[in-house]
Amino acid sequence: GQQLNQSPQSMFIQEGEDVSMNCTSSSIFNTWLWYKQDPGEGPVLLIALYKAGELTSNGRLTAQFGITRKDSFLNISASIPSDVGIYFCAGGRGTNAGKSTFGDGTTLTVKP
Amino acid sequence: GAGVSQSPSNKVTEKGKDVELRCDPISGHTALYWYRQSLGQGLEFLIYFQGNSAPDKSGLPSDRFSAERTGGSVSTLTIQRTQQEDSAVYLCASSFNSETQYFGPGTRLLVL
Repeated sequence: GQQLNQSPQSMFIQEGEDVSMNCTSSSIFNTWLWYKQDPGEGPVLLIALYKAGELTSNGRLTAQFGITRKDSFLNISASIPSDVGIYFCAGGRGTNAGKSTFGDGTTLTVKP
Repeated sequence: GAGVSQSPSNKVTEKGKDVELRCDPISGHTALYWYRQSLGQGLEFLIYFQGNSAPDKSGLPSDRFSAERTGGSVSTLTIQRTQQEDSAVYLCASSFNSETQYFGPGTRLLVL
C-alpha cells in the first residue's frame, strides 16, 4: 500500500528558531494535509494543499505541495513553546476517493 | 458547532473482557474513521466508513475488532476478549469529503 516517510522523527529546538519537516512518498497524491496533535488531544488540521506547487501560509506556518506530487514540507517560523506537539502529514487521493494515508509524525519539543 | 465526540474518555478493563467505544461524528459528515495510537506513536488506521458503501476494514488487527455505523451517524468500535496489547488511545474522525478529517479527543483504553 501507499506509505509516507515523514522526517525528522523528532526535533528539539530553542524558542525563536525556525523548524522544517517534510513528507515523501513513492506514490502520487492529489492532496496534502498537515495536522498538529497537542498532548492528550486529537489531531487538528493546520493546512490543506490541493494543487501541485501550491504554497500556503497560516500565520507562522507555511506548507508546500511538491511539484512532483510526491512530497510536501511544513515550515514553522519563530517557534514558541505552544508549538510543542506531534505534527502529521497526510496524503489524499481526492474528494470522496478513499481514506488518506498518514505519516508517522514529527514530535517537536521547544525549549524556552 | 459541535465537533466529534467520543465516549468514554477513559476506560480501564480487565484482560478478556469486551469493550465498546462510541463515536458521534459531526452532523452531515458522510465519512468516519477509527484509528489506534499507542503511546508516542503514529496513527494506525483501523476502519473507514463512507456513506452507504461497504466499510474498508483493512486495518483491523484481528477478528476481535469490529465496528458498526448505525444510520450513517454514530459508530461503535467493539473489542472482544481484550488483551494488554490493545491498550492505546482510540481516535475517531469524521469528514465531509473524505479528505479533511476532524478528530475527536479519543478514548484512552487500559487493559489490565
